[in-house]
Amino acid sequence: EAGVAQSPRYKIIEKRQSVAFWCNPISGHATLYWYQQILGQGPKLLIQFQNNGVVDDSQLPKDRFSAERLKGVDSTLKIQPAKLEDSAVYLCASRLSSGHEQFFGPGTRLTVL
Amino acid sequence: GDSVTQMEGPVTLSEEAFLTINCTYTATGYPSLFWYVQYPGEGLQLLLKATKADDKGSNKGFEATYRKETTSFHLEKGSVQVSDSAVYFCALSSAGGTSYGKLTFGQGTILTVHP
Repeated sequence: EAGVAQSPRYKIIEKRQSVAFWCNPISGHATLYWYQQILGQGPKLLIQFQNNGVVDDSQLPKDRFSAERLKGVDSTLKIQPAKLEDSAVYLCASRLSSGHEQFFGPGTRLTVL
Repeated sequence: GDSVTQMEGPVTLSEEAFLTINCTYTATGYPSLFWYVQYPGEGLQLLLKATKADDKGSNKGFEATYRKETTSFHLEKGSVQVSDSAVYFCALSSAGGTSYGKLTFGQGTILTVHP
């Protein structure tokens, strides 16, 4: 069974530029999450989707971050414009609607200069 | 809101030593509890889980017991190996409501095992 796929694995941008990350969850997983993991900290939830609808985006900085999950499968997370403090690893995870376990992708490491 | 507190790290041990990483939580209702591990250069992997009070999760020689009375889920291993060197995260999953399944993580504990 294929795992959660993410791309790119690494990205370096200048502040005020924009960037987008892509996630393909495990087939059949209706629930998808984006987390931000700052160095030395645990992951923090940014947004949760159930199929193509947003369940929880209370921690998403909506002035600069946006996310979508068209057709309820792949998802993209965008930052525009980026700030220095956005440097982090962005993790995507998916879960069966009825399950407890979240499966994580390898993450995208973003460096904002 | 929900929160998870892990013991301060990093933790450095010799091979075959006994490991304990403390984890306590604050949550409403009856959350599920998890330990995730992150090996160098890799993504998060589920190590073990417990979904109700007094459950014991175990995997690869690691164990943790869901203690509701002390709101704890301490990770233990009787004899660590060099290959156990990684970052360990304690996490809880919300018990219900619209955020069902949302994971709240502790800050992580870096474990280094020397030969």
